[in-house]
Amino acid sequence: NAGVTQTPKFQVLKTGQSMTLQCAQDMNHNSMYWYRQDPGMGLRLIYYSASEGTTDKGEVPNGYNVSRLNKREFSLRLESAAPSQTSVYFCASNADGVHYGYTFGSGTRLTVV
Amino acid sequence: DQQVKQNSPSLSVQEGRISILNCDYTNSMFDYFLWYKKYPAEGPTFLISISSIKDKNEDGRFTVFLNKSAKHLSLHIVPSQPGDSAVYFCAATHQGAQKLVFGQGTRLTINP
Repeated sequence: NAGVTQTPKFQVLKTGQSMTLQCAQDMNHNSMYWYRQDPGMGLRLIYYSASEGTTDKGEVPNGYNVSRLNKREFSLRLESAAPSQTSVYFCASNADGVHYGYTFGSGTRLTVV
Repeated sequence: DQQVKQNSPSLSVQEGRISILNCDYTNSMFDYFLWYKKYPAEGPTFLISISSIKDKNEDGRFTVFLNKSAKHLSLHIVPSQPGDSAVYFCAATHQGAQKLVFGQGTRLTINP
């Protein structure tokens, strides 16, 4: 089925470890996004890529890096994981114009111990 | 600064009754609003939207009302069904923006 695919679905890291969350979409969308969901905080934007080759910081970028590998793929990297990064991470994509809304992946639940 | 606020973390409604979810915003530039629905272990899915040139948009059992002067919108679900139990997120954006700003979410529980 067409959509946004995130891997892995679950991950447990130790403090200080690194990892990359993968995201791929097959809808030929230009824009891609990484959000984190925390209780009481809603969905907060970490980074986004409005088009292939560009990336911009969102509301909570500290501790993260991103790579827009090509039009399909947008990865999120935690270089040195901290317990505060325990969260559910969602990748999303969008065609031309956010007024049309996003298509979200099913999320990655990350626990940092 | 929370530009989009959903002040009710949870709401419980009896099956068949009306559910009303509220959302407030502070940024006067916002001119387009969306509601997303999220089930556990799934990503949010688009539900309904409204442009600032309208004050109401309806889609089946779902209606969104926009009060621009109060910077307030609400989602009405009539009649409420058990399958409506989910977390609902309000989101906003404006012309030329490249991203959505989301509220904190409201967990709706429909009781049989």
